Amino acid sequence: GEDVEQSLFLSVREGDSSVINCTYTDSSSTYLYWYKQEPGAGLQLLTYIFSNMDMKQDQRLTVLLNKKDKHLSLRIADTQTGDSAIYFCAVRTYKYIFGTGTRLKVLA
Amino acid sequence: DGGITQSPKYLFRKEGQNVTLSCEQNLNHDAMYWYRQDPGQGLRLIYYSQIVNDFQKGDIAEGYSVSREKKESFPLTVTSAQKNPTAFYLCASSSQAPVRGAGTDTQYFGPGTRLTVL
Repeated sequence: GEDVEQSLFLSVREGDSSVINCTYTDSSSTYLYWYKQEPGAGLQLLTYIFSNMDMKQDQRLTVLLNKKDKHLSLRIADTQTGDSAIYFCAVRTYKYIFGTGTRLKVLA
Repeated sequence: DGGITQSPKYLFRKEGQNVTLSCEQNLNHDAMYWYRQDPGQGLRLIYYSQIVNDFQKGDIAEGYSVSREKKESFPLTVTSAQKNPTAFYLCASSSQAPVRGAGTDTQYFGPGTRLTVL
């Protein structure tokens, strides 16, 4: 069946880079998304990548897609305390499938 | 400002009561969705609607009901049949549902409603 997996926790020091990983099973995924959720709030779209792309960069965010391994990653450069949140990976096939979310904790 | 609003932000329900969560969007989107979020779990789809007067069950529809009488509104009723309703509920919309989708069809989310059963 369709599945999207993420590690549950990541801790980094302020100023370092964070890399959040995601693996998915459905090779027919067309668009892949990263969302950010702050405590008690909804999901905020950070970025997305089309399945025919390998990389997308948007300011401090870099998305890498390895279709062969069905692996998606989000790199946050110069991580700040305001980046502390839960990050969700999502893929779209004929429906949207979300991962369990990775809680990023940034240490000052 | 275009966006999705949900109300109320917090909702308390006694056991045996039905409650209705509101979701409104002014993005002119055809598709709307309801998700449930529990701690340590991803989002689980309750119901979705591709167009007015049409809706489909998601993965965990039991104990919930919806209506889609207007394009901008997609209320969710949590009935007394839902055995464990305490959760965070998220409403989302996209220009089209994935099955008909062209373009990114990105989902945009509301701020959520936290429902607690007393």
